Amino acid sequence: QLQLQESGPGLVKPSETLSLTCTVSGGSISSSSYYWGWIRQPPGKGLEWIGSIYYSGSTYYNPSLKSRVTISVDTSKNQFSLKLSSVTAADTAVYYCARLGGVRGIAAAGTGWFDPWGQGTLVTVSS
Amino acid sequence: EIVLTQSPGTLSLSPGERATLSCRASQSVSSSYLAWYQQKPGQAPRLLIYGASSRATGIPDRFSGSGSGTDFTLTISRLEPEDFAVYYCQQYGSSPNTFGQGTRLEIK
Repeated sequence: QLQLQESGPGLVKPSETLSLTCTVSGGSISSSSYYWGWIRQPPGKGLEWIGSIYYSGSTYYNPSLKSRVTISVDTSKNQFSLKLSSVTAADTAVYYCARLGGVRGIAAAGTGWFDPWGQGTLVTVSS
Repeated sequence: EIVLTQSPGTLSLSPGERATLSCRASQSVSSSYLAWYQQKPGQAPRLLIYGASSRATGIPDRFSGSGSGTDFTLTISRLEPEDFAVYYCQQYGSSPNTFGQGTRLEIK
């Protein structure tokens, strides 16, 4: 059974870089059938897709966050990671990692449904 | 970017009743690439439906999805106590992936 687990600091100072890692167990991150992604949810609010990555390292970002986001993959550790720079209080959220299903052609790269999800980790931006 | 609008914002029903949740897209969602999720307090979302009408593994058949183009519906045929939660739709027909704002299904 595939499982994902987020890890990283729960508190980040404004203007600094948020860094999280997602560890995948029960399956290989190098599968050609899936993308891997990050989604966030501010307290009491809805869901926002941050970006996706393929095992080859190809990345796809939400234009609203693209200038501040870097997603990378480490296939040897079965992990992928998120970095979000220049954070503000508006970046306070629960951050989820997930596998994306429904991989299609290049035109739809980075898109798909999310399943399964990690349990999520709350990151608070505060001094 | 495709904007998804869910209605109603809150739906108050009793166990055993039928629930109908709506998701409307600002432009056509290609090939019905639409998913539905259930989220309970303190938990990650759980995939219910993908491809507008295909149930995910382990999802009871009281959950069904329908629709195409810009109008999609999630139906729960007979509500069980564990079905009261927040439901989100998500389109993956084009980038960026986008979510609706959610419908809260509460016990009447």
